[in-house]
Amino acid sequence: AQSVAQPEDQVNVAEGNPLTVKCTYSVSGNPYLFWYVQYPNRGLQFLLKYITGDNLVKGSYGFEAEFNKSQTSFHLKKPSALVSDSALYFCAVRVYNKFYFGSGTKLNVKP
Amino acid sequence: DTAVSQTPKYLVTQMGNDKSIKCEQNLGHDTMYWYKQDSKKFLKIMFSYNNKELIINETVPNRFSPKSPDKAHLNLHINSLELGDSAVYFCASSLKGYPTGDKLFFGSGTQLSVL
Repeated sequence: AQSVAQPEDQVNVAEGNPLTVKCTYSVSGNPYLFWYVQYPNRGLQFLLKYITGDNLVKGSYGFEAEFNKSQTSFHLKKPSALVSDSALYFCAVRVYNKFYFGSGTKLNVKP
Repeated sequence: DTAVSQTPKYLVTQMGNDKSIKCEQNLGHDTMYWYKQDSKKFLKIMFSYNNKELIINETVPNRFSPKSPDKAHLNLHINSLELGDSAVYFCASSLKGYPTGDKLFFGSGTQLSVL
């Protein structure tokens, strides 16, 4: 069975500090991995994806994610958090037609 | 110029009623989806259509019936609404169903409240 785990319901960081939002996955075959962000009362927006190639993937708004095959992880990172980064973040894995989403991690960036 | 648009944005109705949510995408995508997001923000796929053909039909009560008149539209009809149907329903589309890693484009959601 395919699954995605986001072990933290909430992550709190101070503005200017680095942030990490964790994601691990379990899939059969090669994973296509994604991060999406959801702002209040909005649909999910694509941030970045890993298909193949370099393990460090750069995406929108200064975010990046590191694919680690041995640890089956795809953590989202940003070197310097902004208050405007506060939102709900979803990790997802695509297997054929289906996207499997994690439970979401609420990121709070405090001034 | 909205890429994926769904209507209505809010839907408040009584138990037992029948309601529909409409979705349209102007991206030229082949595949469209319906997702349900519950009160805990958990997101789960319900249906997927590729060029008007149903390709994903998850374990969803048969009170929910999707219809795709063309590849740019995917509507969701719900019969005999129940309290547990209250959620936010998201429409989404992608360029190709598989096997590429094309990303999803989401609509802004329809918040359904069943009283």
